[in-house]
Amino acid sequence: DGGITQSPKYLFRKEGQNVTLSCEQNLNHDAMYWYRQDPGQGLRLIYYSQIVNDFQKGDIAEGYSVSREKKESFPLTVTSAQKNPTAFYLCASSPYMNTEAFFGQGTRLTVV
Amino acid sequence: AQSVTQLGSHVSVSEGALVLLRCNYSSSVPPYLFWYVQYPNQGLQLLLKYTSAATLVKGINDFEAEFKKSETSFHLTKPSAHMSDAAEYFCAVSENNAGNMLTFGGGTRLMVKP
Repeated sequence: DGGITQSPKYLFRKEGQNVTLSCEQNLNHDAMYWYRQDPGQGLRLIYYSQIVNDFQKGDIAEGYSVSREKKESFPLTVTSAQKNPTAFYLCASSPYMNTEAFFGQGTRLTVV
Repeated sequence: AQSVTQLGSHVSVSEGALVLLRCNYSSSVPPYLFWYVQYPNQGLQLLLKYTSAATLVKGINDFEAEFKKSETSFHLTKPSAHMSDAAEYFCAVSENNAGNMLTFGGGTRLMVKP
C-alpha cells in the first residue's frame, strides 16, 4: 500500500536532547512537509522540500533541522534550541506544491 | 497572499441534524480549496477538493462543499450528522500557481450530541 509512514507514534525525550522524527513516503511525491500542531492552534509549517537536496524554512523553523537526501525520506530533528518542543508533529507529501497533501499518522513528542 | 478563516473553533450539532462548517478564503488568483478531517491522534484525511471544475463538490461520507466566488467561501455541509463525524475539520487553500503550498485554517472541532 502506498502512503506516508511516520515513526515512532509516541516519543519521550529529556529536555536538552536532540531527537529525530522519521518520515518516509512511497507515493513518489516530489514535495514533502513538516507541520507542528498544538491544541487549538491548527497546523504550523516548520520546513518543506520541493526536491531532493533542497528545503526551505516555514513559519516556525527555529530550533528544527531537516534533510532531504532521498526522495522518499524527510527526517525532522528537534534540537535542544527548540524552547517548547512538546507537540504533535505531522509529515505530509504532495505530487506538486499546490496540490492536496497526504498526511502521515503523526508523532507525539513529549519532552520531560 | 492566500489565507483561510474558519468561523467557529467549535461547532456542536445533534445526531441527525445538518452539519455546516464555514470557511472563507482570500486569494489573488483562482484558488484550489480543500477540506480535511482529523480524528484524535491521527493525521489529516482529505474529505474533498475544488480545483476549478464543478462548484459543488462531493466528498467522502456524504460531505459536500460549494465554491462561491462572490462570497469567497467554501463551506462544508452534511445533511445528517452521525456520531462518527465528531472530529476536527480543516479548510485549506492553494493558489493556482506552481510553487504555492497549502495554507490551512485554524480548524473547527465538530461535536455530535446523541
